[in-house]
Amino acid sequence: GNSVTQMEGPVTLSEEAFLTINCTYTATGYPSLFWYVQYPGEGLQLLLKATKADDKGSNKGFEATYRKETTSFHLEKGSVQVSDSAVYFCALMILTGGGNKLTFGTGTQLKVEL
Amino acid sequence: KAGVTQTPRYLIKTRGQQVTLSCSPISGHRSVSWYQQTPGQGLQFLFEYFSETQRNKGNFPGRFSGRQFSNSRSEMNVSTLELGDSALYLCASSLPTSGSWEYEQYFGPGTRLTVT
Repeated sequence: GNSVTQMEGPVTLSEEAFLTINCTYTATGYPSLFWYVQYPGEGLQLLLKATKADDKGSNKGFEATYRKETTSFHLEKGSVQVSDSAVYFCALMILTGGGNKLTFGTGTQLKVEL
Repeated sequence: KAGVTQTPRYLIKTRGQQVTLSCSPISGHRSVSWYQQTPGQGLQFLFEYFSETQRNKGNFPGRFSGRQFSNSRSEMNVSTLELGDSALYLCASSLPTSGSWEYEQYFGPGTRLTVT
């Protein structure tokens, strides 16, 4: 079956530090890959996506590159801010004519301190 | 453009009761998916509706059901509530791109269901 593995949290960083959250996946077929972010008390927000190998998704200073050879989609940001504190979810979707669903990782909580 | 809306935002029910949650997708979106989020199991897919038809279903008991109306609004129903049904229920809408299977899912704020 399809699955997503994320690094355990919480990850605690100082403001302006470099962020990496690891994500690897197992999939039958060719998945699209996503990062979602969830702030306290809110739903999920789509942060970025990549639909094929070597694609780089980017948004709000966050980046992730679809690496087919290592089945990975690691999230990075060069300089985090306190406002980036949230839970980050890596997810995949296999696109089929029979319907589509997201398979999520367990989420990684990020805490950014001054 | 308005985002995905879900009502109610919070709900408290007693074991054995049933509950109906509502989701209004982004205007123009035709697909609605439902997910359950719990601390223990994380985010799990419940089902997806497209053009009023369920076309994908997760691994949940038959107590969980849903439907979609002609205006794409969707409801999910949980009958005979159990304590373990306490969760955040998230609805996501999406729009299949013409000529492609690619689409992104946009989530609502969720309904927090507490079963006592």
